[in-house]
Amino acid sequence: GNSVTQMEGPVTLSEEAFLTINCTYTATGYPSLFWYVQYPGEGLQLLLKATKADDKGSNKGFEATYRKETTSFHLEKGSVQVSDSAVYFCALLTGGGNKLTFGTGTQLKVEL
Amino acid sequence: GAGVSQSPRYKVAKRGQDVALRCDPISGHVSLFWYQQALGQGPEFLTYFQNEAQLDKSGLPSDRFFAERPEGSVSTLKIQRTQQEDSAVYLCASSFRRTGNGEQYFGPGTRLTVT
Repeated sequence: GNSVTQMEGPVTLSEEAFLTINCTYTATGYPSLFWYVQYPGEGLQLLLKATKADDKGSNKGFEATYRKETTSFHLEKGSVQVSDSAVYFCALLTGGGNKLTFGTGTQLKVEL
Repeated sequence: GAGVSQSPRYKVAKRGQDVALRCDPISGHVSLFWYQQALGQGPEFLTYFQNEAQLDKSGLPSDRFFAERPEGSVSTLKIQRTQQEDSAVYLCASSFRRTGNGEQYFGPGTRLTVT
């Protein structure tokens, strides 16, 4: 079956530090991959996506590259801000399907 | 415009009670999804509607769970004879697409606590 594995949190960084949140997946076929973010008190929001191998999704300074050979979709940001503090979820969608499969989420805390 | 709204935001139920959770999707969105999110976990798929048709209910954990979307807009998730293991946040999401592309708009969730 499909599954997503994320690095455990919380991850605590100082402002302007480099961020990496690891995500690997298991899926049949060629899934689309997503990062969703949940800010405190808000609903999940799509952050970025990639639909095929070697695609790079990017948004708000965050990037993730779809790596088929390592079945990974790691989230990176060069310089985090306090406002990036949130829970980040990696997810996948298999072709023709409608249900997202999520990882367990990684909490990020950015301090001044 | 308005996003996905859910009500109530918090619900406390005694074990054995029935509960009904409401979702108002974004106007015009064809697809509607329900997820269950246990504490410290990611959301898990429960069921999916395309307009009023329930096309996938493979994630519903038992026959105590029932969802409907009779007019293709508002949806209700009903849990009968609630158990403690039903305690979770229930998320609703909608999408304007008929076929899946993963871009779903989520509501804030209903936190259900069964005592």
